[in-house]
Formats: sequence, C-alpha cells, structure tokens
Amino acid sequence: DTGVSQDPRHKITKRGQNVTFRCDPISEHNRLYWYRQTLGQGPEFLTYFQNEAQLEKSRLLSDRFSAERPKGSFSTLEIQRTEQGDSAMYLCASSYIMNTEAFFGQGTRLTVV
Amino acid sequence: QKEVEQNSGPLSVPEGAIASLNCTYSDRGSQSFFWYRQYSGKSPELIMSIYSNGDKEDGRFTAQLNKASQYVSLLIRDSQPSDSATYLCAVNIPLTTGANSKLTFGKGITLSVRP
Repeated sequence: DTGVSQDPRHKITKRGQNVTFRCDPISEHNRLYWYRQTLGQGPEFLTYFQNEAQLEKSRLLSDRFSAERPKGSFSTLEIQRTEQGDSAMYLCASSYIMNTEAFFGQGTRLTVV
Repeated sequence: QKEVEQNSGPLSVPEGAIASLNCTYSDRGSQSFFWYRQYSGKSPELIMSIYSNGDKEDGRFTAQLNKASQYVSLLIRDSQPSDSATYLCAVNIPLTTGANSKLTFGKGITLSVRP
C-alpha cells in the first residue's frame, strides 16, 4: 500500500504524559499537513511542511505541540504534558505541491485519561 | 467570518434523489477547492477537486464553482444509502506570508439517505 500511513492508530495516555505520533506520506509528495479533529467538527489545521521546512503553524497550537519532518520524509507530532482537551483524532495528509489534491492517512485517535 | 463555511445541515434525502451540499469561502485569492467524504470514525476521503469556474462531473458527483460569488457546491445524483456520511468542503486559502496556501476545512455537512 502506498498511501499515507499513520502510527499508532489508537493511543490512550494518562494526563501529563508525552505522546508522539508518526506519519509517512505518499513517497513523491513534498507537502505534509497535520490536522486535529474533534467530534462534529471539521479538521482543524495544526501545521504543514514543504519538504523539511515547517512553513506554517496554527496560532491555536500551544507550545506543548511540536512537529518535525527530518529529511523531508516522515513526520512526527509530539504533544508534551497531555491534557484531557487534547483528546481528538490527529490526521496527517500529504500532497504533491501547493494547491493539489491532499490525501489523508487513517488517523491516530488520542484519548487522554 | 469563518474562512470556509458550511452552514446547512444535517441533510436528509430519499434514495434516488439529488443531494445538494453548499460551501462558501472568504478569500477571493483561493485557487483550489475540494470535497471530502468522511464516514463515522474514519478519516476524510477525497471525492472531488475543482480549480476553475463551472461544473465538473465524475460519475454521480458534480462539483460546481463560482469564484465571483465565492461559492462551491457538490451535487450527488441518484443518492444511495451508502452515500450517508459527512461531506467536508476544503479550500486552499492563501497565506499572507509568501506564496503559500493552507488547506482549510469547513465543519462538514452530515448527509443521510433514507432507503
């Protein structure tokens, strides 16, 4: 399968713990997006990369969130000191270039207890 | 004003009817527009993309774009129960910093097709 892959699919963590998610984009895609989605809402933009450069980060994103894309391939999203409000589906998408179609991975569902 | 708005919904139509889903966007500089389908508990799936004014048809789906009115719509003909899902409108909104854009979503419209 050559689609966008996310790992893990589900994560349950205790409040205050750190978590890290991984996204492997479609191989020839140089744009990679992270979104967060809660029940009844559309995906909320978090950040995106073009190759290894992080070009935009949502103002809503607290300092507890950080993302990297070393070497312009896979990306990681880390949440430090998780809070119950961080419980959501975290979605990764990739696209070839700006303004072209973006494809999503299966998502990582985070539950903070 | 939200960047991408989908205000109507939920929508319920009988099997075989035409479902019409609407979306407006705020930035006239937007260049590309997409419709995604999302089943409950799953990730969004791209079903249509449109880049120029007018209609674009793909099977039972037709996307319509009117840049002057900042309006994009999705028509689903001969609706089937399997079309029951949330439909997300997404627009590449230009950023003020450089020549980049951000793929921005509306909140979605839930469609239910009654057998």
